Amino acid sequence: GEDVEQSLFLSVREGDSSVINCTYTDSSSTYLYWYKQEPGAGLQLLTYIFSNMDMKQDQRLTVLLNKKDKHLSLRIADTQTGDSAIYFCAESSSGYSTLTFGKGTMLLVSP
Amino acid sequence: EAQVTQNPRYLITVTGKKLTVTCSQNMNHEYMSWYRQDPGLGLRQIYYSMNVEVTDKGDVPEGYKVSRKEKRNFPLILESPSPNQTSLYFCASSTNRGRGNEQFFGPGTRLTVL
Repeated sequence: GEDVEQSLFLSVREGDSSVINCTYTDSSSTYLYWYKQEPGAGLQLLTYIFSNMDMKQDQRLTVLLNKKDKHLSLRIADTQTGDSAIYFCAESSSGYSTLTFGKGTMLLVSP
Repeated sequence: EAQVTQNPRYLITVTGKKLTVTCSQNMNHEYMSWYRQDPGLGLRQIYYSMNVEVTDKGDVPEGYKVSRKEKRNFPLILESPSPNQTSLYFCASSTNRGRGNEQFFGPGTRLTVL
């Protein structure tokens, strides 16, 4: 079945850039997502990218997609302590709402 | 306010005592889903529903039941809970069409089965 892999932990200093990586196996993935989970809360959609795009930028967030290598990354510029959270990569195939999630990357931002 | 609500938020129960976790959404979404989140395992889908009276198993359905009699509600039923069902549970909903199929998540229900 489909699989989504992420590194489990990333630690950065405030003001640095953070890059969270994700790989997926489903070649029919149409949408790829990044969700953020703050402590004690549910997941919130941060951004998504359609599979025919290479890059998407939204304020401090940059998503890069390498479809050939099935690699997705999320770059957070000028990382703040409020960015500390678990970040989930997810994918879905066209026409379906079911998402396959990675295990999540815990981002810790230190002052 | 558009939201997904879950009740209860916290529950401690004993093995074998039937329980129901409710989920309700006010966005007229067709799709609803239940996940469990466990340390080191991420989110795993339990059941999902594409529309009223249409439900299907996710990756870890054993020990759970669901029903979808109305569009807004999607309760999760544990007929005979066991300690391995101790977990954090999330309900989510989305449209079946539309921009990126964004899923909206509830706040979570932390269940402990003794």
